[in-house]
Amino acid sequence: KAGVTQTPRYLIKTRGQQVTLSCSPISGHRSVSWYQQTPGQGLQFLFEYFSETQRNKGNFPGRFSGRQFSNSRSEMNVSTLELGDSALYLCASSISGTAPTEAFFGQGTRLTVV
Amino acid sequence: AQSVTQLDSQVPVFEEAPVELRCNYSSSVSVYLFWYVQYPNQGLQLLLKYLSGSTLVKGINGFEAEFNKSQTSFHLRKPSVHISDTAEYFCAVRAFGNEKLTFGTGTRLTIIP
Repeated sequence: KAGVTQTPRYLIKTRGQQVTLSCSPISGHRSVSWYQQTPGQGLQFLFEYFSETQRNKGNFPGRFSGRQFSNSRSEMNVSTLELGDSALYLCASSISGTAPTEAFFGQGTRLTVV
Repeated sequence: AQSVTQLDSQVPVFEEAPVELRCNYSSSVSVYLFWYVQYPNQGLQLLLKYLSGSTLVKGINGFEAEFNKSQTSFHLRKPSVHISDTAEYFCAVRAFGNEKLTFGTGTRLTIIP
């Protein structure tokens, strides 16, 4: 069974640009969550999508947005990039059914803003 | 809201010695508990989880953890570490009915040959 796939693995962008990151969850998983990991702030929750709807949101500015498609694939967009947006962005998927289960993470996308 | 405290940011241990990585959490509601490991330039890999049932849970690579509700702790243990265990370890909690994970700040485990 294929794991969570994130593309691309590495990105370099310039301040002010926008970027889109992609996440393909494990087959059958309907929930996709995004996290930002930085040395200073650690792992922080961005948002979660379930059945194409944002179900939960962290404390990030509106420049950070996402969406989920009918096949559960998700994209995350960051507009007007700032130097502080440089981070490892991790996507996690889970079944999110009636029974509790764990989340599985992708390898991440390393975003560098210059 | 939930919070997680990992008391040790770095833990050096000699190879084949035992190790304990500490994790305490705070929550006003019931939670599930997890330990994840992260190797350099990689994502997070699940080591073990506590969802319900026995408070002693066993995971991959010989790790185990014990859920202590009265002390709100979920410490990770391994009786004998190997060089390959060098990595960063994250404790996380998730409230019932919510997919959001709240992570601790991580513990960097360094194995000394």
